[in-house]
Amino acid sequence: NAGVTQTPKFQVLKTGQSMTLQCAQDMNHNSMYWYRQDPGMGLRLIYYSASEGTTDKGEVPNGYNVSRLNKREFSLRLESAAPSQTSVYFCASSEAGVGLHEQFFGPGTRLTVL
Amino acid sequence: DQQVKQNSPSLSVQEGRISILNCDYTNSMFDYFLWYKKYPAEGPTFLISISSIKDKNEDGRFTVFLNKSAKHLSLHIVPSQPGDSAVYFCAASKTSSGSARQLTFGSGTQLTVLP
Repeated sequence: NAGVTQTPKFQVLKTGQSMTLQCAQDMNHNSMYWYRQDPGMGLRLIYYSASEGTTDKGEVPNGYNVSRLNKREFSLRLESAAPSQTSVYFCASSEAGVGLHEQFFGPGTRLTVL
Repeated sequence: DQQVKQNSPSLSVQEGRISILNCDYTNSMFDYFLWYKKYPAEGPTFLISISSIKDKNEDGRFTVFLNKSAKHLSLHIVPSQPGDSAVYFCAASKTSSGSARQLTFGSGTQLTVLP
């Protein structure tokens, strides 16, 4: 099992460009999440999807959109990139249900916006 | 307003000694706490967790203690090994009506275990 995979690993964009970060999981998890991590800060939740067909905003959703394409895949889109979106982006997945709180993370995408 | 705080950005300990990493939280609705470990250029990996109905959970060299009245938890690593050198994140979640569990993370503590 590959677990959670993310593409690309690195990306450089110019201000105003758009791009989509891809995430896939092979653990048959219902819930998926997108986080960003900035220096000196913990991970902050951007968007999440409790189950296929649903998405909800997290703590820092502005400037982003998401698509839960199917149970395996959850993508994050930047429509018009800004330097403030320079960050490391992590995708995660988890099983649903009472008491099941552990999230499994992908290796991250390091994004630089010039 | 940071709901989960790790006030020590870094900690150095000698190999074989105990490492104690601390975490404080402000939201009394949190009922589940987790510790994640992160190596450079990798995603966080789950280490250990504790429910608010317990005050201690142990897994090998790792023990997490929860003091609900103080809204404080700590991670003890005994004995510390050089391979434990990483950034450790404390995270908290609360039971919600939905099936997804939102995690709130602290800012992390860089642990360095010196040989």
